Amino acid sequence: DTEVTQTPKHLVMGMTNKKSLKCEQHMGHRAMYWYKQKAKKPPELMFVYSYEKLSINESVPSRFSPECPNSSLLNLHLHALQPEDSALYLCASSLEGSYGYTFGSGTRLTVV
Amino acid sequence: AQSVTQLDSQVPVFEEAPVELRCNYSSSVSVYLFWYVQYPNQGLQLLLKYLSGSTLVESINGFEAEFNKSQTSFHLRKPSVHISDTAEYFCAVSEGGTSYGKLTFGQGTILTVHP
Repeated sequence: DTEVTQTPKHLVMGMTNKKSLKCEQHMGHRAMYWYKQKAKKPPELMFVYSYEKLSINESVPSRFSPECPNSSLLNLHLHALQPEDSALYLCASSLEGSYGYTFGSGTRLTVV
Repeated sequence: AQSVTQLDSQVPVFEEAPVELRCNYSSSVSVYLFWYVQYPNQGLQLLLKYLSGSTLVESINGFEAEFNKSQTSFHLRKPSVHISDTAEYFCAVSEGGTSYGKLTFGQGTILTVHP
């Protein structure tokens, strides 16, 4: 299995909703990442988990809450989002060392 | 801190023509360099990477990139493009030697191949 699987592929949520994005990999990668990509922009790092511990939080607002329940799963819990949070959310994983990521296909989030 | 500059935001070419997508980086430490491709409404796919060793790296679909330390560049080239190469290409850099890599991306280059 050489994939990173993200669900759902599309999500529309209201500003008062609570939802979660899920990411799963079975490649034995011990680093997992959340990136946010706005239209016509490059991906921007949000969070890094290394060995299931949060290693980097790029000053992301608290309405985004990451969780790494085990070495294969990464969640992103969403609450009270704003319309400007609408974007493609990408999950990625990597083997230890900066050897290149494997990205998922993303969740297209629309906040209404 | 590291940064990546992709010098062209859009590159239109005709099918079977050669193409070069330019990428320059800045960093105070050793780096790993990557090219990713993104097709519409999809995630990013790793095209090729430079970690160490030979400065010329190749992908399985005919792309190649050359690491030039003195010019801090990692340009992507293909001698003959296909319609299917139409996509957005991102150059990225991460700090070498860390246990996990924070990728810094360039702004992207949209390659459009015309028949």
